[in-house]
Amino acid sequence: IVLTQSPGTLSVSPGERATLSCRASQVISGSSLAWYQHKPGQAPRLLIYGASSRATGISDRFSGSGSGTDFTLTINRLEPEDFAVYYCQQYAKSPFAFGPGTKVDIK
Amino acid sequence: EVQLVESGGGLVQPGGSLSLSCSASGFTFRIYDMGWVRQAPGRGLEWVSAINTGSTYTRNEDYVKGRFTLSRDNSKNTLFLQMNSLRPEDTAVYYCAKCPSSGCHYVDYWGQGTLVSVSS
Repeated sequence: IVLTQSPGTLSVSPGERATLSCRASQVISGSSLAWYQHKPGQAPRLLIYGASSRATGISDRFSGSGSGTDFTLTINRLEPEDFAVYYCQQYAKSPFAFGPGTKVDIK
Repeated sequence: EVQLVESGGGLVQPGGSLSLSCSASGFTFRIYDMGWVRQAPGRGLEWVSAINTGSTYTRNEDYVKGRFTLSRDNSKNTLFLQMNSLRPEDTAVYYCAKCPSSGCHYVDYWGQGTLVSVSS
C-alpha cells in the first residue's frame, strides 16, 4: 500500500486550522492508520491511531478522520509548537509504510 | 515516563558492520514488542525490523533481510540491532521504537535516534 500526503507543505498562521490529507493506493482495512508529528532533532510523536483515536496525552486540538483510502488529520487553533512535519502510516498490510510527510510551517 | 535511548551509531565503510543498542526505561520492557524505524537524509520514515516479547519472532523488511539481526535482552531492558554488510543506502537516523500492546504495527513511543553513516 502506497501512501500519498498532501499538500507537501502547508503554510498556516497561529490560531488557524490545518487540514492534512493522506490517501492510500488501496483500501486500508480496519481503519489501520496512524499519524505522527516530527520536529527536527526530536523523537517523532504518535498523535492518532486507528484513524481517529488520540494517543495518550495528545491535545484534543488534534483529530483524525476518514476510512477506506482517504484520511485526514485536522489541527485546530494552531500553536507555535505544532509547526512540524506530519506523517501518516498504514498498518493494515505489510510492509507498514509511511507517507512522505506534510510540513506545516508558519505563514 | 517512557524513555528510549539509542547508542552505537557512527561512520562505517561500505561492507562494514555496526551494532546499535536501545536502552529502555519507564515501562515493563519484557511485555512489549519493539523495533527500529529509520529515516534516510531527505527521505521519509521506514520500518527496519521488529521483534516480539519472547524473541521467538522477528520481522525484517526486504531491504535488510539477511544483513540485519534484531535481538533483545529482557533482563537488561535493552534492544539490539546488529547491522552487517552495510550499504550507502543504509545511511539514516535509526529510531528505537516501542510498539503498543497490540503488536509492532505502529509505534507509540520513539527514541531520539542515532545516526548511521555508511561511506568510504
